[in-house]
Amino acid sequence: GIQVEQSPPDLILQEGANSTLRCNFSDSVNNLQWFHQNPWGQLINLFYIPSGTKQNGRLSATTVATERYSLLYISSSQTTDSGVYFCAVERALNDMRFGAGTRLTVKP
Amino acid sequence: DTAVSQTPKYLVTQMGNDKSIKCEQNLGHDTMYWYKQDSKKFLKIMFSYNNKELIINETVPNRFSPKSPDKAHLNLHINSLELGDSAVYFCASSSSASYPRNTIYFGEGSWLTVV
Repeated sequence: GIQVEQSPPDLILQEGANSTLRCNFSDSVNNLQWFHQNPWGQLINLFYIPSGTKQNGRLSATTVATERYSLLYISSSQTTDSGVYFCAVERALNDMRFGAGTRLTVKP
Repeated sequence: DTAVSQTPKYLVTQMGNDKSIKCEQNLGHDTMYWYKQDSKKFLKIMFSYNNKELIINETVPNRFSPKSPDKAHLNLHINSLELGDSAVYFCASSSSASYPRNTIYFGEGSWLTVV
């Protein structure tokens, strides 16, 4: 099956810093999404981004499908950005596979 | 209104018991999923259903049996619970027909602890 690798596994930032999270995948995909899981366990969809670039406030994401990677940028990080960020890809219909996540801690 | 709702939110039960987790979505989606999240936060797909038809059954022990009575519901029944079944179980839904296709919406999770 498809492999999804996220890096770094852990990231600690000072409030106000910027960061880049990476997701590599082993095969072509139909669909790629980024999720944030907050410290209370809630999973929120951040981006649907099988290709191209999108921005939403301080967050933006870029997927280069031909090179099989996606990047999530967080600018001016806040403590509320803490949690785990997951990349998920869909190769076969209705089969969404998740990476192991990047655990982000933003310190005040 | 909660878009994807799961019950119960917390469940503590003894080994060997049988339990069910219910999931309902009011988004009009045609696809529903069960994911298991272990203590290391890894999210593993267990099942996906499209229009009540089983699409993905990911090498899950047959003690786990999903049931989809209609497109809005996907329940998970677990027989003979084992310690290793302790995890957070997430229900999710998506639409394979509309754009953006299969954008996933998660329920709040069901914390299962087997003692």
